[in-house]
Amino acid sequence: KQEVTQIPAALSVPEGENLVLNCSFTDSAIYNLQWFRQDPGKGLTSLLLIQSSQREQTSGRLNASLDKSSGRSTLYIAASQPGDSATYLCAVSSNQAGTALIFGKGTTLSVSS
Amino acid sequence: DGGITQSPKYLFRKEGQNVTLSCEQNLNHDAMYWYRQDPGQGLRLIYYSQIVNDFQKGDIAEGYSVSREKKESFPLTVTSAQKNPTAFYLCASAGQPYEQYFGPGTRLTVT
Repeated sequence: KQEVTQIPAALSVPEGENLVLNCSFTDSAIYNLQWFRQDPGKGLTSLLLIQSSQREQTSGRLNASLDKSSGRSTLYIAASQPGDSATYLCAVSSNQAGTALIFGKGTTLSVSS
Repeated sequence: DGGITQSPKYLFRKEGQNVTLSCEQNLNHDAMYWYRQDPGQGLRLIYYSQIVNDFQKGDIAEGYSVSREKKESFPLTVTSAQKNPTAFYLCASAGQPYEQYFGPGTRLTVT
């Protein structure tokens, strides 16, 4: 059964720092990997989607990489800002269960000014 | 604006009552999903639907029911059989290549 783990569970950094969030999954037979952001009490905002044939995706200050063979993904945030403070969720889908997502428990990021 | 709407934002019910959560999307997506989020547990799949008039159980379907009569709508009913219904419920939809988009969520409190 697929399991997704995110490390660390929480992270505090000063503004301007570059940082990396880690995600690992146990079954490499994935269809997609998605990174989301969730603010307290809100829904999820999709940040980046990496399809299984891709190695990385970039959007602004965000870069996500995927290494299927090792079951790992990283989300790199450049020049962090207080507005980046949120919980970041990693999720993978397979061809089973209608490509529904299996989620990690998230990394809660706090960026101080 | 294209997107997913969920209503209501907050819902309070007495134990033993059934309650229906609404989810509507205007993204023309075929697939729709319901997830439940509990503190410290992450999101878990309740039901999903890949096409109108068809839906499948997810990991925690007991005590829940759904319908998919229209492409745009995927309502979730929380029945009295659900033992711990208090949670944050999130609806999502996806088109190709199955990038999922989420609604704002409904927080259900049962007392």
